Amino acid sequence: KAGVTQTPRYLIKTRGQQVTLSCSPISGHRSVSWYQQTPGQGLQFLFEYFSETQRNKGNFPGRFSGRQFSNSRSEMNVSTLELGDSALYLCASSSSWGANTYYEQYFGPGTRLTVT
Amino acid sequence: KNEVEQSPQNLTAQEGEFITINCSYSVGISALHWLQQHPGGGIVSLFMLSSGKKKHGRLIATINIQEKHSSLHITASHPRDSAVYICAVRPFGNEKLTFGTGTRLTIIP
Repeated sequence: KAGVTQTPRYLIKTRGQQVTLSCSPISGHRSVSWYQQTPGQGLQFLFEYFSETQRNKGNFPGRFSGRQFSNSRSEMNVSTLELGDSALYLCASSSSWGANTYYEQYFGPGTRLTVT
Repeated sequence: KNEVEQSPQNLTAQEGEFITINCSYSVGISALHWLQQHPGGGIVSLFMLSSGKKKHGRLIATINIQEKHSSLHITASHPRDSAVYICAVRPFGNEKLTFGTGTRLTIIP
C-alpha cells in the first residue's frame, strides 16, 4: 500500500499570501489529522477530520482552516500568512475515528512552508 | 508547565548500550504514543499503548497509568536508532494529541 502523501513538499510564500496544502491518506483510511511543527513550539495539533467532518480542532487562529473530501483526501489552508507560520506541516491518516477509541496514525513526509 | 515532559532532552550513547527515554504527563489519558522522527522530518509511529507493555524488535514501551509515566527502551542500540523520540498523549475528554518536546538520541559507532 502506498503511504500518506503530501503535496507540495516545499513551499515559499510571502507574508500576506495564502497557501493550500494537500494530504492523501493511505488507501482505505478515512481519518486525517494535521499538525504543525516549529523549532519553538514543537509539534502541535491543528485539526482532525473523519467522513468529511471536522471532529476536533487545536488552538490556532481562524486563518487556519481545513476540509476533507469524499475520497478522504484533505486540504488545509492558511490565509494572510505571517512569518511565524513558517513550519513543517504534517498530516497523518488512520483507518477510522471514534470518540474515546484511538487508532494507529501513519504520518506523511510533511510540507515545509517558509514565509518570507 | 507542559502537560507532557520528556527526559532527557538529549542523549548520546555508544553502540550496543541499553537506552531509556522517559515521559511523564499530568492529566488522565486514554492513550499514549511513542513516535520517531529522523532528520528530514519523517515521523514513524512506534507504539500506541494504554496499559502495560509492548515490544517490537529491540524496542519496548511501558506505561504506568497510576504514576502517569511511560518509558521507551532500546536494547542493543545501533547508529540507525539516532533520531528524535517524541511522546504524545490523548487526554480524557479532549481527544487532541498533545506532544512532548522530544528526546534527541545519538548513537555513536
